[in-house]
Amino acid sequence: EVQLVESGGGLVQPGRSLKLSCLASGFTFSNYGMNWIRQAPGKGLEWVASISSSSSYIYYADTVKGRFTISRDNAKNTLYLQMTSLRSEDTALYYCARQRSNNYYFDYWGQGVMVTVSS
Amino acid sequence: DVVLTQSPATLSVTPGERISLSCRASESVDTYLHWYQQKPNESPRLLIKYASQSISGIPSRFSGSGSGTDFTLSINGVELEDLSIYYCQQGNSLPFTFGSGTKLEIK
Repeated sequence: EVQLVESGGGLVQPGRSLKLSCLASGFTFSNYGMNWIRQAPGKGLEWVASISSSSSYIYYADTVKGRFTISRDNAKNTLYLQMTSLRSEDTALYYCARQRSNNYYFDYWGQGVMVTVSS
Repeated sequence: DVVLTQSPATLSVTPGERISLSCRASESVDTYLHWYQQKPNESPRLLIKYASQSISGIPSRFSGSGSGTDFTLSINGVELEDLSIYYCQQGNSLPFTFGSGTKLEIK
């Protein structure tokens, strides 16, 4: 069974940093691209970042480019999102989601981890 | 960026009805258009990929159609468990974008 379990969220002050993790199981992690997608409270879905299976290709939404870094450790079956210079508008539920290589749809999602940016 | 416009924003339906939800793209996305269902307090779930391709485990009452800029998600015989928000998403070009969703309410 495919499982994606996010962790690392919490309350953080504006301008500070936070690192999210997503532990994958039930599939060969190194064969799949991975993504972070967020959802602000009561709002829709926003794609944040994507990383290919071998980390060769990395893409970001303009809203986070230069502040967020997506990475992965295939030996640990774990996806990361390093978030710096956090703003109130980054407050959201952050999902990790799997994609089949070169197919840009998201076939499995984690349960999400909440990030709240507030003083 | 490709803007996806979903309509209606909210749809109130009677169980058993056949309904259609619309997703219109601001430019052609070919068939790189996918549909998701998000039930209250749950993560999104992939319903349809590439505009019309079915997903294993998804009930057959869900179907998709369209190409280019106009797409439709149909539910043939709405059930109470279909109470959800439905999102379309394009994977044709970066940044990947989602529509604002259609909320399905059951009468």
